[in-house]
Amino acid sequence: QQQVKQSPQSLIVQKGGISIINCAYENTAFDYFPWYQQFPGKGPALLIAIRPDVSEKKEGRFTISFNKSAKQFSLHIMDSQPGDSATYFCAASNSNSGYALNFGKGTSLLVTP
Amino acid sequence: NAGVTQTPKFQVLKTGQSMTLQCAQDMNHEYMSWYRQDPGMGLRLIHYSVGAGITDQGEVPNGYNVSRSTTEDFPLRLLSAAPSQTSVYFCASSYRGPVFGNTIYFGEGSWLTVV
Repeated sequence: QQQVKQSPQSLIVQKGGISIINCAYENTAFDYFPWYQQFPGKGPALLIAIRPDVSEKKEGRFTISFNKSAKQFSLHIMDSQPGDSATYFCAASNSNSGYALNFGKGTSLLVTP
Repeated sequence: NAGVTQTPKFQVLKTGQSMTLQCAQDMNHEYMSWYRQDPGMGLRLIHYSVGAGITDQGEVPNGYNVSRSTTEDFPLRLLSAAPSQTSVYFCASSYRGPVFGNTIYFGEGSWLTVV
């Protein structure tokens, strides 16, 4: 059963717009929440990650918002660019399991010029 | 620094054949894992290891076998290939311990087709 639920499945955003991808989880033992970016034919690459003791983390144009009580977290891509077109995966893990990741199903993002 | 290296990149197998996907990392990572990626399913954990000699099952372990005799290598064995195992396989590794920022590095993937 999917431990991390991700939405939307696909997203089209105009250049300069904000892309928002949402994820929800049930397991309160999760203590690490990364986002991965994957280009066709490549492996996933870490984009940004957060722990549950902070509500927001920003790195450049990428921001994670985390709501511990709602067990939800989201990725915001500000000023989206065509080069951001990729598949994005949220994930969650429990440090006691050796950082094995539980992934969402992914969001295919297309940023149009 | 090679990072996580997977071989082969592409493989076609006949149903019932066995094979091993190789994974090696040169970062002295304790944790290694194997995922499979299928369209619309995201990445699903097959097996993982928290150190040499220690392995455990993930979400979809059936039909796969692993061992971890060294820190560097974590091979994935398909015992008797089935068409349902047609997928892209990713190996990943990370440092030991519950330290935040414990980045998990993925290999480039192995495309496997079972006919």
